[in-house]
Amino acid sequence: GDSVTQMEGPVTLSEEAFLTINCTYTATGYPSLFWYVQYPGEGLQLLLKATKADDKGSNKGFEATYRKETTSFHLEKGSVQVSDSAVYFCALSPNYGGSQGNLIFGKGTKLSVKP
Amino acid sequence: EAQVTQNPRYLITVTGKKLTVTCSQNMNHEYMSWYRQDPGLGLRQIYYSMNVEVTDKGDVPEGYKVSRKEKRNFPLILESPSPNQTSLYFCASKGISGIDPSSYNEQFFGPGTRLTVL
Repeated sequence: GDSVTQMEGPVTLSEEAFLTINCTYTATGYPSLFWYVQYPGEGLQLLLKATKADDKGSNKGFEATYRKETTSFHLEKGSVQVSDSAVYFCALSPNYGGSQGNLIFGKGTKLSVKP
Repeated sequence: EAQVTQNPRYLITVTGKKLTVTCSQNMNHEYMSWYRQDPGLGLRQIYYSMNVEVTDKGDVPEGYKVSRKEKRNFPLILESPSPNQTSLYFCASKGISGIDPSSYNEQFFGPGTRLTVL
């Protein structure tokens, strides 16, 4: 079945460091891909998305490119801030049949950014 | 304001005492879903609903029930809660019809319900 694998955390960085969180997927067809973020004590918020191969999603300085050839959707940010401390989830949504609505999540990566 | 609301936000209960967690959305979304979040396991889908009176099991449905009598509401029912259902629960919704296919599969999440079963 479809699945998402993301790098395990926790990840601890200093402010202004470069961030990469790896995400790879296994899916039938051409899923849509997402990064969700969960700040402490809050629900999940959509950070960015890409719906087809080679699309780049971007938001708040974060970027991820849908790479079909490597089945990857790695999250990157050039300069992290303390306010980026959160748990990041990679997810996919199948684009076929009755599964169109469902999200399949990775296990999450906790990011801590130190001043 | 477009939102998904859940109640209660926090609940401590005892084994076997039936409880219901409510979920409501004001975006006229067809699709609604329940997830549980556990450390090291990420989010796992419990049940989902594609529309009124249409529900289906997710990955971890055992011990849970749902109903979808109205489009806006999707309550999660634990008939006989057990300690292994202690978790953080999220409700989500999304539209599945529309003109722009690139926007149709974003899910909006509620704030979460932290349930402890003693």
